[in-house]
Amino acid sequence: LAKTTQPISMDSYEGQEVNITCSHNNIATNDYITWYQQFPSQGPRFIIQGYKTKVTNEVASLFIPADRKSSTLSLPRVSLSDTAVYYCLVGDHNDYKLSFGAGTTVTVRA
Amino acid sequence: DSGVTQTPKHLITATGQRVTLRCSPRSGDLSVYWYQQSLDQGLQFLIQYYNGEERAKGNILERFSAQQFPDLHSELNLSSLELGDSALYFCASSARDDLMNTEAFFGQGTRLTVV
Repeated sequence: LAKTTQPISMDSYEGQEVNITCSHNNIATNDYITWYQQFPSQGPRFIIQGYKTKVTNEVASLFIPADRKSSTLSLPRVSLSDTAVYYCLVGDHNDYKLSFGAGTTVTVRA
Repeated sequence: DSGVTQTPKHLITATGQRVTLRCSPRSGDLSVYWYQQSLDQGLQFLIQYYNGEERAKGNILERFSAQQFPDLHSELNLSSLELGDSALYFCASSARDDLMNTEAFFGQGTRLTVV
């Protein structure tokens, strides 16, 4: 049973907003939702983390509904340099394997 | 710069050989995680150490081993190398021991090529 489900890929254009939704139906009460970004041949980079409602930083916003069974990463006004793989991570205390899954490949076109 | 240092950056070796990958975590971070990323594959968790003790184990092969030293740096040893071991190996560190609920910092990786 997958801990998180997110789209395999998304395409966008420069200047648009990109929203990536992640499903995590079995999220535990004390688990946070964390998103990472990875460029080819580089290590992942932490983007944002949240527990409920909305979190915003200089890079992105994270929207979490009251039931916490999903979350949406919002990237405002993307540029070509935002082309990357985005991973959604949710803690799973029953399975401590800490793997990232396939992520969502976001391709931004000019 | 994440503050996590991995050496070497590139490594080319022959099948059957043994290599050691090194990771220096961010200053003050007690947790070190090792990941393997093969071509077009996701990040596969190998093993985690927290303050010198093994904390969690993923699908790490018996030919692979790791340790964390008193100064908190970590080494990943890969032996009897096979062509399929060619991959990017990442190290990450965090202050806490729960990667899923904290911010982790990844190094730039070691690209291992087995020929």
